[in-house]
Amino acid sequence: KNQVEQSPQSLIILEGKNCTLQCNYTVSPFSNLRWHKQDTGRGPVSLTIMTFSENTKSNGRYTATLDADTKQSSLHITASQLSDSASYICVVSSLNAGNMLTFGGGTRLMVKP
Amino acid sequence: DVKVTQSSRYLVKRTGEKVFLECVQDMDHENMFWYRQDPGLGLRLIYFSYDVKMKEKGDIPEGYSVSREKKERFSLILESASTNQTSMYLCASSFPQELGQPQHFGDGTRLSIL
Repeated sequence: KNQVEQSPQSLIILEGKNCTLQCNYTVSPFSNLRWHKQDTGRGPVSLTIMTFSENTKSNGRYTATLDADTKQSSLHITASQLSDSASYICVVSSLNAGNMLTFGGGTRLMVKP
Repeated sequence: DVKVTQSSRYLVKRTGEKVFLECVQDMDHENMFWYRQDPGLGLRLIYFSYDVKMKEKGDIPEGYSVSREKKERFSLILESASTNQTSMYLCASSFPQELGQPQHFGDGTRLSIL
């Protein structure tokens, strides 16, 4: 069964600090991995998308890494801001079943002043 | 900017009622999706559609049906609402699932069944 596990479930950091969120998956065959940011009361918004051949991808202060051998990804947030407070969801797409998506349970990040 | 609009942000209905959740997208996307999001379970796919009048079951279709009469509109129907269908419902749309194509989400409908 395809699964996506994220850790930690929740995280509190001080403004200006860095943090790293983890995503482990068992989806096979792998197509691509996405990180979404979901603000409270809003729908998820795509931050990065990585395919099998990509090891790292950045979007401003967000940097995602992918190790397709160990089936792990991380999302690193640099110099956190209060607006980074949100849930971060890891989503993995499978080549089977028309690229259907498996969602992780998310990491809830709170950035405090 | 892509716009996925869900008709209601909050909805309260009673057990046994027939409930309609509406979703409209303005990007001429072929694919549309309905998910529910529950704490600790992440997003789970209920139904999706890859063309007008076409529909496919997702992971948890029981108790739901869908309708796609026009390309821009995808409706989720709870035939006889039950309390375990209290949840956040998210609609999404995308072009055909080629590599790198993101799904664009609406802001969700928080549905409470009393």
